[in-house]
Amino acid sequence: EAGVTQFPSHSVIEKGQTVTLRCDPISGHDNLYWYRRVMGKEIKFLLHFVKESKQDESGMPNNRFLAERTGGTYSTLKVQPAELEDSGVYFCASTPQYTDTQYFGPGTRLTVL
Amino acid sequence: GEDVEQSLFLSVREGDSSVINCTYTDSSSTYLYWYKQEPGAGLQLLTYIFSNMDMKQDQRLTVLLNKKDKHLSLRIADTQTGDSAIYFCAREYSNASKIIFGSGTRLSIQP
Repeated sequence: EAGVTQFPSHSVIEKGQTVTLRCDPISGHDNLYWYRRVMGKEIKFLLHFVKESKQDESGMPNNRFLAERTGGTYSTLKVQPAELEDSGVYFCASTPQYTDTQYFGPGTRLTVL
Repeated sequence: GEDVEQSLFLSVREGDSSVINCTYTDSSSTYLYWYKQEPGAGLQLLTYIFSNMDMKQDQRLTVLLNKKDKHLSLRIADTQTGDSAIYFCAREYSNASKIIFGSGTRLSIQP
């Protein structure tokens, strides 16, 4: 069974540009989470989808970040316009319904110059 | 301070035991976790412990939980070069809605 996959693995963009990160959860996992780790600090929660609905988006830093999960399968996280402080590693995780084990993807390393 | 705290670096000699410590402020979690991130790889769930347990052992790994002091530790026996990684202490928050992580401890192995 394939694990959580993320694309791209690395992205380097200039300040002011737009970047879209993609996460494909494990097939059948209704719960999908986005996290990010900035500058070697702690990994912080961004938001949680249950199927296509946003269950909790309390961790989204500001309105430059837009997450979608149309159809309840893969999810995208768009940053527009990107700022320097958005640099970091963005992780995606998924779980089956009503379980606590989150399976993480390899992350997307975003560098904003 | 941060909810989950851990030291940033640990260096041990190959074959010695490694002990990574973590403290947390909120004791409401049912599960506490240790995740491992190897270079270039994603987060791997290494082990977890229920909050009603004091200890869990799994081969070379021993997790100790002191609920009174809100202290969690991970001991790796006979540390090998393949154990080089960043280890994240974490706790669940409110019925799997999210996980609260520490900053990670980078474990380096000296020959």
